[in-house]
Amino acid sequence: AQKVTQAQTEISVVEKEDVTLDCVYETRDTTYYLFWYKQPPSGELVFLIRRNSFDEQNEISGRYSWNFQKSTSSFNFTITASQVVDSAVYFCALLQGAQKLVFGQGTRLTINP
Amino acid sequence: DVKVTQSSRYLVKRTGEKVFLECVQDMDHENMFWYRQDPGLGLRLIYFSYDVKMKEKGDIPEGYSVSREKKERFSLILESASTNQTSMYLCASRYTGGVDTEAFFGQGTRLTVV
Repeated sequence: AQKVTQAQTEISVVEKEDVTLDCVYETRDTTYYLFWYKQPPSGELVFLIRRNSFDEQNEISGRYSWNFQKSTSSFNFTITASQVVDSAVYFCALLQGAQKLVFGQGTRLTINP
Repeated sequence: DVKVTQSSRYLVKRTGEKVFLECVQDMDHENMFWYRQDPGLGLRLIYFSYDVKMKEKGDIPEGYSVSREKKERFSLILESASTNQTSMYLCASRYTGGVDTEAFFGQGTRLTVV
């Protein structure tokens, strides 16, 4: 079965704090792809990052970083020095079989000034 | 820039009506998807299509059907709308030439069935 779990429904932190959003996935495939999307209040999903199952290198992009660990089937997302503009719903997604794209439940992140 | 356009931003329909949600993409993408988004449940896949006239059920296809007669257009059909189909519906498309390409989303259609 193909499944993505984001156990944190809502997170609220104060600006400048670091915050990590968890993502755990299940798949039987050896080849798969993982994604993170951001959904700001405007509603449209914005792509943030992709990672394939053969590349376990962590990635950093500015204040954003991603930790992919196949041993624990996790693909966690960390925002360093959070800002109010980071407030959004964040979704983790799994692409399996090159066709079916499945999302997690989402984590609502609120950054308070 | 890739553009995925959903025909309506907001829609109000009556129980029992046949409802069509239309989605058009302008980048010749093979894959297209329909999701519904509900609080606490995330995005749940209703149907997806990997080519013209080709479709596969997602995780929650009951009460829905789809049509893909042209590559750029993917329609979601509610044969007889019910109040439990009140939701936000999101369409997406992606290019399958490279398997790790991301999906692009439309702005969503908020459907209310009364």
